[in-house]
Amino acid sequence: EVQLVESGGGLVQPGGSLRLSCAASGFTFSSYWMSWVRQAPGKGLEWVANIKRDGSEKYYVDSVKGRFTISTDNARNSLYLQMNSLRAEDTAVYYCTRDERWGQGTLVTVSS
Amino acid sequence: DIQLTQSPSTLSASVGDRVTITCRASQSISTWLAWYQQKAGKDPKLLIYEASSLESGVPSRFSGSGSGTEFTLTISSLQPEDFATYYCQHYNGHFGGGTKVEIK
Repeated sequence: EVQLVESGGGLVQPGGSLRLSCAASGFTFSSYWMSWVRQAPGKGLEWVANIKRDGSEKYYVDSVKGRFTISTDNARNSLYLQMNSLRAEDTAVYYCTRDERWGQGTLVTVSS
Repeated sequence: DIQLTQSPSTLSASVGDRVTITCRASQSISTWLAWYQQKAGKDPKLLIYEASSLESGVPSRFSGSGSGTEFTLTISSLQPEDFATYYCQHYNGHFGGGTKVEIK
C-alpha cells in the first residue's frame, strides 16, 4: 500500500525558511515522479512543484520559482521541499503526492 | 506547461439529477488524469484515477471517461452527500479550477 507521510510544517515569520519532508513507502520510490501540492485556506488546490524519478527534471509553479526547491533522496525514499523567502500567501496545507496518491498534509503558516 | 480547464465552475442540480463535469487539457495527457471530491473543511478525496478507474470504496454512481484532451466526470444520480467541489488533476501537474455542485 502506498504511504506518504509529510512532516516539517509549522509557523514561520515572513521571509523565513522551512523544509518539508515526505517519507514514502509501499512502492519503488525511484520509479515515480513526485510532487507537492498545496491548498490555502478557503482556496482551491494548487500544484506547487514536481521532480522526475531520477531528479534530472524539476518544475515549479511560477509563484514559487526561485524561492522553493524540490529534491529527493532515493536512498531514504524521501521527498523534500525547501521553502525560502516565505510569504503570507504561502500559508497552506502542503501535500506530498505520487500520481493520484496523497499524504495527509502538513500545515505551513507564514505570519508575524 | 499543461493547463486544465474545468467547466462549469458552478453547477446547480437536484437530488436524482445526472451531472456531468468536463475537464479539457491544453495538450494530450493520455489517461493521466484524476478526479477528486472535496467537502468544506475536509481533505480532497480521490474518486477516479487514470481517467476512468473507480477508486475502491467510491459509489458506482461516479464514473469517469475520456482520453487525450477531453475528460468527463459523471454522477449518474446525484445524492445529498455529493454536494461538494470537484477537481480534475493531471498527474503530477496542474489542477482544473474546480466545480462547485450546489443544491438547486
